[in-house]
Amino acid sequence: ELKVEQNPLFLSMQEGKNYTIYCNYSTTSDRLYWYRQDPGKSLESLFVLLSNGAVKQEGRLMASLDTKARLSTLHITAAVHDLSATYFCAVVTTSGTYKYIFGTGTRLKVLA
Amino acid sequence: DGGITQSPKYLFRKEGQNVTLSCEQNLNHDAMYWYRQDPGQGLRLIYYSQIVNDFQKGDIAEGYSVSREKKESFPLTVTSAQKNPTAFYLCASSIDRGSYEQYFGPGTRLTVT
Repeated sequence: ELKVEQNPLFLSMQEGKNYTIYCNYSTTSDRLYWYRQDPGKSLESLFVLLSNGAVKQEGRLMASLDTKARLSTLHITAAVHDLSATYFCAVVTTSGTYKYIFGTGTRLKVLA
Repeated sequence: DGGITQSPKYLFRKEGQNVTLSCEQNLNHDAMYWYRQDPGQGLRLIYYSQIVNDFQKGDIAEGYSVSREKKESFPLTVTSAQKNPTAFYLCASSIDRGSYEQYFGPGTRLTVT
């Protein structure tokens, strides 16, 4: 069964702290996407990671992809309250027909 | 501005009624998708379409139907056969069914009582 698992599922952190969200997947894939969702809103694209070793950074967020380990990380540096949201990773399978599989989501709450 | 629109934003229906959710895109994308999201949960694929007049079931298609008569439009009908239709519905599109990034509409929150 194709699985995309994120951990932690819930994360409460203080402003100014660093933390990493992990996205593990069980299928062959060479591209991975990170999205942000605010409560009651749609998904906003954050990062597109297209190859092994890819690293992208935007503000306090940095995403990386290790296709050999089937792992992506989303690192938060010096968190601020505005980063509070749910973060999803999504993997596209490359074995057989293309399938877009979303992770379970990580709900992040940054405390002032 | 290019993008995806969904209407209405909120929809209320009585149990036993069919309801159709609208999704329109002007991105010239070939592929379109419908997802369902329940509170505190991830996204589950209902249907997808790679091209006009063609669509495929996703993981939770029972109780739903779609059509793709125009490239720009991919409406979703929630039928009375769907046992628990109350959810947040998201429409998305991508250049094609390959591994391209998906772009999401603002969503429709459906409540059935």
